[in-house]
Amino acid sequence: QKEVEQDPGPLSVPEGAIVSLNCTYSNSAFQYFMWYRQYSRKGPELLMYTYSSGNKEDGRFTAQVDKSSKYISLFIRDSQPSDSATYLCAIYTGGFKTIFGAGTRLFVKA
Amino acid sequence: KAGVTQTPRYLIKTRGQQVTLSCSPISGHRSVSWYQQTPGQGLQFLFEYFSETQRNKGNFPGRFSGRQFSNSRSEMNVSTLELGDSALYLCASSFGDNSPLHFGNGTRLTVT
Repeated sequence: QKEVEQDPGPLSVPEGAIVSLNCTYSNSAFQYFMWYRQYSRKGPELLMYTYSSGNKEDGRFTAQVDKSSKYISLFIRDSQPSDSATYLCAIYTGGFKTIFGAGTRLFVKA
Repeated sequence: KAGVTQTPRYLIKTRGQQVTLSCSPISGHRSVSWYQQTPGQGLQFLFEYFSETQRNKGNFPGRFSGRQFSNSRSEMNVSTLELGDSALYLCASSFGDNSPLHFGNGTRLTVT
């Protein structure tokens, strides 16, 4: 079993839709969770950084961590064509190492 | 504030050659991590350095090595290149433990 699992998609939605992106992880000791956005030919860009359980909101983006289910989510409200990118979940595992999900390709159609 | 800078952006090498990639972290960041990104495997951890010391290493052969200098700049080296080493190599910096990574735009290595 992989330490973090993420559906690679692709996920296609119309402009204005609410997007839900998800990852599951295997180790209940993990506490630091991140979401990155990666555009083509660019490096990943940090979107959200959360510690332990709960929600964190930043503009149109909300990150949610459910430690009881070992499930992390990123919600994008009022999605825009400029949100079309690959979204990667990431987890700091300790031992000076961060692991990444496979990334979900998102397409927002105008 | 300048971001993470990686040079060169693109490299084409032939099998058997070696290559050195360079990374300048964000000012004030002392931790530098390297990742290999391929379509099939995603982002794979190579190694992490802090204050010139390698603190963790991923599951890659010894042909992959790195180092960090006193100014936190880092280099990684791949010797005896193989076709399978073709990938995007990403460098990321952070303040240290538990801090999120900030990535550069990578070096695209093609091995022919």
